[in-house]
Amino acid sequence: DTGVSQDPRHKITKRGQNVTFRCDPISEHNRLYWYRQTLGQGPEFLTYFQNEAQLEKSRLLSDRFSAERPKGSFSTLEIQRTEQGDSAMYLCASAREYEQFFGPGTRLTVL
Amino acid sequence: QKEVEQDPGPLSVPEGAIVSLNCTYSNSAFQYFMWYRQYSRKGPELLMYTYSSGNKEDGRFTAQVDKSSKYISLFIRDSQPSDSATYLCAMKKTGANSKLTFGKGITLSVRP
Repeated sequence: DTGVSQDPRHKITKRGQNVTFRCDPISEHNRLYWYRQTLGQGPEFLTYFQNEAQLEKSRLLSDRFSAERPKGSFSTLEIQRTEQGDSAMYLCASAREYEQFFGPGTRLTVL
Repeated sequence: QKEVEQDPGPLSVPEGAIVSLNCTYSNSAFQYFMWYRQYSRKGPELLMYTYSSGNKEDGRFTAQVDKSSKYISLFIRDSQPSDSATYLCAMKKTGANSKLTFGKGITLSVRP
């Protein structure tokens, strides 16, 4: 257990529905990352926060995706109007210096 | 061509074997190199972390970085069935806030 928690662990939804995931990082870590991992692939970067500021977003993060980190603590990732191609593991990582520690992930299945 | 290429798998070895896992990369800006282990349906777990070229040893694990060849390796000595997992190499540029770029991962199975 790295100390990074994610909720829910699994989410099954129908195409077109909105979903929201939560990540609670290690408390003293000011950097928080979201990645997406599809079957047989390594994680791909989605977005990055330093404290409450969202400093970088990947081109993978379409307009249907939004992420927040109010007060620089937990973070949420929302996907609107889900599509079958959104089915993946969504991973959160937190960091204080250079090392990133991952949570257990949220597995999303879009039917 | 992807920035980070990892040897395709899967890889199956008998218990006690020495395992060599490798990645190559194309971006010379990468300065930090990591190996993560990921068990099925779990998040990646940081195994080894190396800055620039050289070797780093931690128990049965040794990480090597050759920046001149843009090549990194992870060696596992005396492999155990509990080492069976997917191993991911990851890299990042200078700057504490930069993102990780991962290889595809290789699935290792250690047979008792």
